[in-house]
Amino acid sequence: GENVEQHPSTLSVQEGDSAVIKCTYSDSASNYFPWYKQELGKGPQLIIDIRSNVGEKKDQRIAVTLNKTAKHFSLHITETQPEDSAVYFCAASNRDNAGNMLTFGGGTRLMVKP
Amino acid sequence: DAGITQSPRHKVTETGTPVTLRCHQTENHRYMYWYRQDPGHGLRLIHYSYGVKDTDKGEVSDGYSVSRSKTEDFLLTLESATSSQTSVYFCAISGTGPGLIFGPGTRLTVL
Repeated sequence: GENVEQHPSTLSVQEGDSAVIKCTYSDSASNYFPWYKQELGKGPQLIIDIRSNVGEKKDQRIAVTLNKTAKHFSLHITETQPEDSAVYFCAASNRDNAGNMLTFGGGTRLMVKP
Repeated sequence: DAGITQSPRHKVTETGTPVTLRCHQTENHRYMYWYRQDPGHGLRLIHYSYGVKDTDKGEVSDGYSVSRSKTEDFLLTLESATSSQTSVYFCAISGTGPGLIFGPGTRLTVL
């Protein structure tokens, strides 16, 4: 089955700096890669996703890049703000439609210092 | 968390007792999932459902069973709870797209 590794497990940045979280996956058939943000005491929320036919996707201050050859994808957050502090999870699936089974990375705790 | 609720939100139980967690959705989505979240392991799939009375096992299904008698409800049962099942349990749903919508979670402690 799929295996997703996520690094780093914790990341501390100064407000205004950029943050990068990296994930690798094992199954070359994976074609859908979402990122979730989990705030304290809440369930994870989808913040951005990318499909395997796209190399990069941006949404305001967040962007995701995908390297299919190397089987890794990354989340980039620019101009970090204290409200970006949360746990972030990457995931992978070999289906990019409803009913897919996501395999998650171990999570990254991001702390943004004011 | 709009459209998906979990109950109870917190539960403390003793080893060997049965426990049932409930997930309720108002979105009429076909797919429902149960995940558990443990430090360092991210979220791991326990069971999922692709329709009423249609369920299947996930990555960590041992010790768990599920039932879905109505579109809106997905129940997770621990037949005889063990300390290794102490965790935070999340229900999720998915409709027409691949993204999952997660519930608020249930924190379960097995003493």
